[in-house]
Amino acid sequence: DAKTTQPPSMDCAEGRAANLPCNHSTISGNEYVYWYRQIHSQGPQYIIHGLKNNETNEMASLIITEDRKSSTLILPHATLRDTAVYYCIVRVAMNRDDKIIFGKGTRLHILP
Amino acid sequence: EPEVTQTPSHQVTQMGQEVILRCVPISNHLYFYWYRQILGQKVEFLVSFYNNEISEKSEIFDDQFSVERPDGSNFTLKIRSTKLEDSAMYFCASLLLSRGVGTDTQYFGPGTRLTVL
Repeated sequence: DAKTTQPPSMDCAEGRAANLPCNHSTISGNEYVYWYRQIHSQGPQYIIHGLKNNETNEMASLIITEDRKSSTLILPHATLRDTAVYYCIVRVAMNRDDKIIFGKGTRLHILP
Repeated sequence: EPEVTQTPSHQVTQMGQEVILRCVPISNHLYFYWYRQILGQKVEFLVSFYNNEISEKSEIFDDQFSVERPDGSNFTLKIRSTKLEDSAMYFCASLLLSRGVGTDTQYFGPGTRLTVL
């Protein structure tokens, strides 16, 4: 089962920052936080991952609390194309051929 | 950027028929996966495959399912006798798994929509 808790849905105005929270209070020391998203009927798309430090790439930023029990994915300037279901997943690093267990995610609506 | 491709994008079949879903993983990747997503439900793991054998399979992946890597590029999922409940999106994924701990991720294809009538 997924080890994370996410709100089922969120709205964000186009051009604003979208902040998607995720709780993972039972995360283990060797588990990373991964974020994927799924645009309607497409395959899941990797966004970002981190262990304990904040991370940033061309798509998003990931803020992980000091106790690692929660994190926030930030899309700095949301566009309509960011409308998707966002999945927060905790797992050991992908140095094994492990499956990904998807939860229900957060359905993010970007409003024009 | 390299990507996983899947064919066909949509497959319609009659109940009881065999279907083969095809995937071309990213060329230097070593681990391969199939997932499915029934309409409105979560993405579910079916099977993982490495070194020409199944690494892990879920309880969904029963005797009606099989996977194969017939050549150096394709990865296929076969359903021998389709049932109505097999109607779903089927996603292929691949993973390189280099020595960079935590730096690899599975890349997913666009999916095949299977409709069983």
